[in-house]
Amino acid sequence: SQKIEQNSEALNIQEGKTATLTCNYTNYSPAYLQWYRQDPGRGPVFLLLIRENEKEKRKERLKVTFDTTLKQSLFHITASQPADSATYLCALDPSSGSARQLTFGSGTQLTVLP
Amino acid sequence: NAGVTQTPKFQVLKTGQSMTLQCAQDMNHEYMSWYRQDPGMGLRLIHYSVGAGITDQGEVPNGYNVSRSTTEDFPLRLLSAAPSQTSVYFCASSYSNGWGVMNTEAFFGQGTRLTVV
Repeated sequence: SQKIEQNSEALNIQEGKTATLTCNYTNYSPAYLQWYRQDPGRGPVFLLLIRENEKEKRKERLKVTFDTTLKQSLFHITASQPADSATYLCALDPSSGSARQLTFGSGTQLTVLP
Repeated sequence: NAGVTQTPKFQVLKTGQSMTLQCAQDMNHEYMSWYRQDPGMGLRLIHYSVGAGITDQGEVPNGYNVSRSTTEDFPLRLLSAAPSQTSVYFCASSYSNGWGVMNTEAFFGQGTRLTVV
C-alpha cells in the first residue's frame, strides 16, 4: 500500500538556522509533490509545488527538492524565524496535478526557538 | 473573495444522529474535496468532485455521502454518526489553470471539529 512518512513528528531549531524537513514515500509514483503549512486550529496553506521532472524549487526563504529515485523530498527553511513555527505537511498528487486527490504525510511540527 | 467557507466550526453529535457539514467556495473552482484529519495520521481523502453532478470516493468514504449540485457547494453528510467519525474535517477546492495544464494547489477551509459521543 502507499505510504508517506515525514522524518519526525517534532523538530526544534534555533532562530537563524536552516530547518530541513524530510518526506519519504513508498509504493507511489507521484507526478507532483506539494508542501503545506498548518497552524493550530487552521486549515493547511499551500507553500510550494514541485513536479517530478524538477530537481529543485525556491520561493524566498523556502527551498524544495524532489528525488524520484530516492522517493524523497526535502523542504528547507533558511534563516528560520519564530514565526515559521508550525506543522508542515507534504502531499503527493497523482498524475492529474489538479490537487483534488492529495495524499498527505502526518506532518512535522517545527518550533523555531528565539 | 471569502475563499472556502465551512460551517459549523464545532459540532457535538450523539451516536446515530445525522448531520451535514457545509462547504462553499466563491472562487469558481471545478474541483472540491473533503478530508478528515486525525492525530498522527495526517489528512485522509473522503470524497472528491470534479464538477457539478460528478463525485467519487477517496481513501475513507464509508459512512459519508456527498453530492454536488452547484459549482459552489459540496456538502458532506453523515447518515448515522459513530464515535470513529470524531475528527477534524477539512474541505478544499482547486482548479485547472487552462489549456489542460494542471499544476495547481488546494485551498482549504478552516475546518469543522466534530465530536461524536
